[in-house]
Amino acid sequence: SYVLTQTPSVSVAPGQTARITCGGNSIGSIHVHWYQQKPGQAPVLVVYDDSDRPSGIPERFSGSNSGNTATLTITRVEAGDEADYYCQVWDSGSDHPGVVFGGGTKLTVL
Amino acid sequence: QVQLVQSGAEVKKPGSSVKVSCKASGVTFSNYAVTWVRRTPGQGLEWMGGLIPFPGTTNYAQKFQGRVTITTDESTNTAYMELSSLRSEDTALYYCGSGWDLNYFDYWGQGTLVTVSS
Repeated sequence: SYVLTQTPSVSVAPGQTARITCGGNSIGSIHVHWYQQKPGQAPVLVVYDDSDRPSGIPERFSGSNSGNTATLTITRVEAGDEADYYCQVWDSGSDHPGVVFGGGTKLTVL
Repeated sequence: QVQLVQSGAEVKKPGSSVKVSCKASGVTFSNYAVTWVRRTPGQGLEWMGGLIPFPGTTNYAQKFQGRVTITTDESTNTAYMELSSLRSEDTALYYCGSGWDLNYFDYWGQGTLVTVSS
């Protein structure tokens, strides 16, 4: 089945830019979605279809996807952005189609 | 406003089954897909399966095939996830999610803690 690889942790100072990557074989050819999950809370969709934002998500959150890497970029990072971030795709290419999540990246705001 | 409200925490014995519910308002499961995801202690999100209303098909993760059943009751607009043959490794927070299809999920329940312990 399809595998998504994320760096376990990223640290950034407030006001700086955080880049969280998601690696997968030819991931640029499929849509990637990103979720934010804070401790004790449900996941929140922050980017869908590579680069679209749901209503209510700040413009500071953006996404890109090309080649073997998708990236979630958070500009002007705030303390409230500290959370786990997960990339997700629909794997239609295997014998067992289904949703695949990356392992998650813990964003720490210094 | 869309809300998914899940049933309360459960404590189960190994080998038993658990059935978690997810009641929707603001969306109807006759039109929207429902998915179930879990997060085990110290681990990330893990997809268990989902149900697409048209044509009413279910997709289950291979890991849970044969142990999980996802259903919906259109009369109460409630989705259910039943997991059988529980073991301690199934102790987790279980979330329902909903979206237009199983591509991505806009809406989420608050989570249900299932503890499996003898």
